Amino acid sequence: AQKVTQAQTEISVVEKEDVTLDCVYETRDTTYYLFWYKQPPSGELVFLIRRNSFDEQNEISGRYSWNFQKSTSSFNFTITASQVVDSAVYFCALSESESGGSNYKLTFGKGTLLTVNP
Amino acid sequence: KAGVTQTPRYLIKTRGQQVTLSCSPISGHRSVSWYQQTPGQGLQFLFEYFSETQRNKGNFPGRFSGRQFSNSRSEMNVSTLELGDSALYLCASSPGQPITGELFFGEGSRLTVL
Repeated sequence: AQKVTQAQTEISVVEKEDVTLDCVYETRDTTYYLFWYKQPPSGELVFLIRRNSFDEQNEISGRYSWNFQKSTSSFNFTITASQVVDSAVYFCALSESESGGSNYKLTFGKGTLLTVNP
Repeated sequence: KAGVTQTPRYLIKTRGQQVTLSCSPISGHRSVSWYQQTPGQGLQFLFEYFSETQRNKGNFPGRFSGRQFSNSRSEMNVSTLELGDSALYLCASSPGQPITGELFFGEGSRLTVL
């Protein structure tokens, strides 16, 4: 079973539409970290947000918002009023220590390719 | 502040050869981690170094190795290249805590194995 599942491989929307990218994770750790990264065509991953397992507070940053729900092991990402510049591959990632130690390993989902059409 | 620099950006090798990729982290960052990105397997963790010590390693064969120098620069080496090693290799750095905080990625080294 995948530790991080992004069920949507590709999403295509028209500019100004809202879009939600889904992420479901699996871990046995009580302390873990969740991330979203954006990968534009240039290839460099850009950090968007980090959440630790003790902080379920949702967050909004401009047009971006994140919904973290431990009960469903989900960490979904919503872009409001999408723009062409939002077109990229978005990755959800989980950082966990597996053995409960201090060495963490980062596992990425397969990514969701978002295309925003003008 | 300069970002994470990876060299070379592109390279072509043939099966059986070896390759060394370099990563210069952001100044002051002591943790460097490496990832392999392929269309089939996605982004996979290779290994992570902190203060010249390998702290964690992904599920890759022993042909993949790495090291970190005292100035935090890191190299990864792949020996006896196989066609399946063709990938984008990404390096990331962070100030201290290993992979629990924000990572800063380089643009990657795209390796093609013929």
